Amino acid sequence: DTAVSQTPKYLVTQMGNDKSIKCEQNLGHDTMYWYKQDSKKFLKIMFSYNNKELIINETVPNRFSPKSPDKAHLNLHINSLELGDSAVYFCASSQVGVGTDTQYFGPGTRLTVL
Amino acid sequence: EDKVVQSPLSLVVHEGDTVTLNCSYEVTNFRSLLWYKQEKKAPTFLFMLTSSGIEKKSGRLSSILDKKELFSILNITATQTGDSAVYLCAVEEWSGGGADGLTFGKGTHLIIQP
Repeated sequence: DTAVSQTPKYLVTQMGNDKSIKCEQNLGHDTMYWYKQDSKKFLKIMFSYNNKELIINETVPNRFSPKSPDKAHLNLHINSLELGDSAVYFCASSQVGVGTDTQYFGPGTRLTVL
Repeated sequence: EDKVVQSPLSLVVHEGDTVTLNCSYEVTNFRSLLWYKQEKKAPTFLFMLTSSGIEKKSGRLSSILDKKELFSILNITATQTGDSAVYLCAVEEWSGGGADGLTFGKGTHLIIQP
């Protein structure tokens, strides 16, 4: 029944490791997003992706890369994790160009880098 | 059942009107309630509410939380066309390891007509 789901919910790992966070949406949307929530609760967009275009926020380190095996999934892969990567990461999806373009958010993944 | 319910889902008013957006929630370990304004780009953070009865204010926007009745309202006075957006409410819960992710409502699509 869940519209946008993320796994895992919590991820604790050591500095230098490579990890992935998975996101799936069952809404039939054509665009998916990854956000990083900072300590002030601001949501900073990292990527937006549909089957035609990947838009990357240029401030995102190239250690972060989105991988989309199909339209319903957009996974976030992170290489060489650093302490500053610790945050809550949110996935979202929307149907661009239809109605309000409202983004539906997943529950978030809390990443802790030790 | 949805844990965070926003109403109305859409609202059309004229410039200069005052609007009230509602967000009710039902979560186990409430930590905070957040309001975001979503336009075409990433949602922008508006308010974080943790205590009942304390109004947060920013210009023409204000918000208050009622933890007994489990809801929050977002007021916008003297609306302008630039206020047109989707307003998202999200609730943060406590978990054993600290604050959990966010549960978002479906948003209220507000349209301000000139």
